[in-house]
Amino acid sequence: GAVVSQHPSRVICKSGTSVKIECRSLDFQATTMFWYRQFPKQSLMLMATSNEGSKATYEQGVEKDKFLINHASLTLSTLTVTSAHPEDSSFYICSALIQGMNGYTFGSGTRLTVV
Amino acid sequence: AQSVSQHNHHVILSEAASLELGCNYSYGGTVNLFWYVQYPGQHLQLLLKYFSGDPLVKGIKGFEAEFIKSKFSFNLRKPSVQWSDTAEYFCAVNAGGNTPLVFGKGTRLSVIA
Repeated sequence: GAVVSQHPSRVICKSGTSVKIECRSLDFQATTMFWYRQFPKQSLMLMATSNEGSKATYEQGVEKDKFLINHASLTLSTLTVTSAHPEDSSFYICSALIQGMNGYTFGSGTRLTVV
Repeated sequence: AQSVSQHNHHVILSEAASLELGCNYSYGGTVNLFWYVQYPGQHLQLLLKYFSGDPLVKGIKGFEAEFIKSKFSFNLRKPSVQWSDTAEYFCAVNAGGNTPLVFGKGTRLSVIA
């Protein structure tokens, strides 16, 4: 149980375009979703925390107008990278909090390449 | 704010060798501690976690970790590794409740025959 499905797994886009990444909780309600970014050989860096029905909370240094997070339902959270640039190329991972268990489940990640 | 330090970037072991991966954290309050594994092309999977109680925690696949509060450490161990343990291992902490995980940089383990 507690599976998060993340799509797409890989995406290549042109510089200046926008890319949407989706994370769906398949068998539970994800009240809280965390979005991470991982650079090669680096740690997972928290970008933002989203709670269903409210605005996301962004970490310091993360541009909220560039990385749009929407968490309009208990089963879907999306991250849109707007006007993507090559430096946005990275691995993006979502993680849902499993309420009442202090547990987390992770999506399989999205490899974004901006050319 | 919490921070996590993993000492080894890449560890190479022969099958049947013993494993210990270091993890130290920095945080003044109560923390919960986790170890995750990421196999190539797969999502992060929980190996084990510590919230309270017995500081020696046993997880899946024969892994265990020991919480030493005085050293702010939570090292991961396995007495005999297998080729299938080849993966990336992440130590993580949170401050409890609904707070996000803070991850270390990860340690890549390569097990050779």
